[in-house]
Order: sequence, then structure tokens, then C-alpha cells
Amino acid sequence: DAGVIQSPRHEVTEMGQEVTLRCKPISGHDYLFWYRQTMMRGLELLIYFNNNVPIDDSGMPEDRFSAKMPNASFSTLKIQPSEPRDSAVYFCASSPISVFTEAFFGQGTRLTVV
Amino acid sequence: GDSVTQMEGPVTLSEEAFLTINCTYTATGYPSLFWYVQYPGEGLQLLLKATKADDKGSNKGFEATYRKETTSFHLEKGSVQVSDSAVYFCALSGNYGQNFVFGPGTRLSVLP
Repeated sequence: DAGVIQSPRHEVTEMGQEVTLRCKPISGHDYLFWYRQTMMRGLELLIYFNNNVPIDDSGMPEDRFSAKMPNASFSTLKIQPSEPRDSAVYFCASSPISVFTEAFFGQGTRLTVV
Repeated sequence: GDSVTQMEGPVTLSEEAFLTINCTYTATGYPSLFWYVQYPGEGLQLLLKATKADDKGSNKGFEATYRKETTSFHLEKGSVQVSDSAVYFCALSGNYGQNFVFGPGTRLSVLP
């Protein structure tokens, strides 16, 4: 398997624009996670899905952020409108259903909002 | 709720020095414990894991033992190399819903 695939790897956008980050989890994994990493706040869980259903979105910072998982092989994280403070590295991770198994991370999307 | 505490560093060591990064956790039930490593510009990779008390995880010379009595999972390596320079994250997976809780990360720099 190619692992968790995220796109784009880098995104530079202007404040106020809509940004969409994409993730393809590992086939057969039941859980999908979106994390945000910054120097100030470290690694933060934004939202996670189980079998395409959002389970906990309490980490989503505000209504400008939304995430969807229309099927088992694709998820998006959207920011609309984007702000400079959204600049961060966004990671997607997936995991099988067993609590004994680790989460597998993608390479991340580095977002810069200018 | 569940939480993970680890020394935040940065930690700077000379090559071949002994490494310890402390990690303690708070969780209900019997979580699985993990150490992840993040090299510059990359995602997090699993370094090692332990799924029950007294288990020892090991990989690439790193070791950590799941100590339930002290709720700890300290990472150790006997002789670090320059290539070990990275950020290390301690994490747990709770057994009430599949969620992963990460510590703040510890940046390690190894000097030649």
C-alpha cells in the first residue's frame, strides 16, 4: 500500500480565499484523523471519522473549518475564508479498528496564508 | 480525559551519549502506548509501541517499557547518533473509542 496520501504538499494562498486539503487513507482502515501542527500549539486533533462518520469535531477551531468524508477512500478539510493564523502543517492519519494498532500518518500539507 | 505529558526539551546531546525522554500518561482502562518520531519536513512515523503492562517496545536501538504502576513509558537509547536528531512524540490510544492522544513532542539534537 502507498500509505496515507495527502495533497497538495504545499499550499500558499491569500487571506480570505478558500483552501481545500485532501487525504486518501490506507485501504481498509476504519478511522481517519485530521491534525494541525504549529510551533506554538504542537500537534492538535481537529476531527476524526469512523467508517466515514464524524465522531469528534471538538478540535475544529471555528466555523471556518469543515471536514467531510464522502467515502472510505477520500476526505477533505476545508477552510473558508482562510486567515494568516491558519498557517500550519496539516496531517491526515488513518488507523484500523484495533486499539492495539498505531495511526499511520501522511506527509502533511504545509499551508501558508499571506 | 486521557492525556500525555512528556519533557518538552529541546534536548541536546553529543553523539554516543545515553538518551532518556520521559513520558507519563493519564488514562482510564488499559491504553496502548506509542512513541512516534518526526524527521524534518516529514510526517510522524511509528518508532515503537507496547499494548499491555510490562511490555517492552523496541526498534532501531530505542526501547520503552509500559509501566502501569507509574503510568510511564520512558524512551531510552544507549548511544545516540546524529541521524537520531528529530522530534519524538509519546502517544496513547484509549480503549473507549479509537482516539490517539499525543504529548507535546521533544526535540532532540545530536551533535557530532
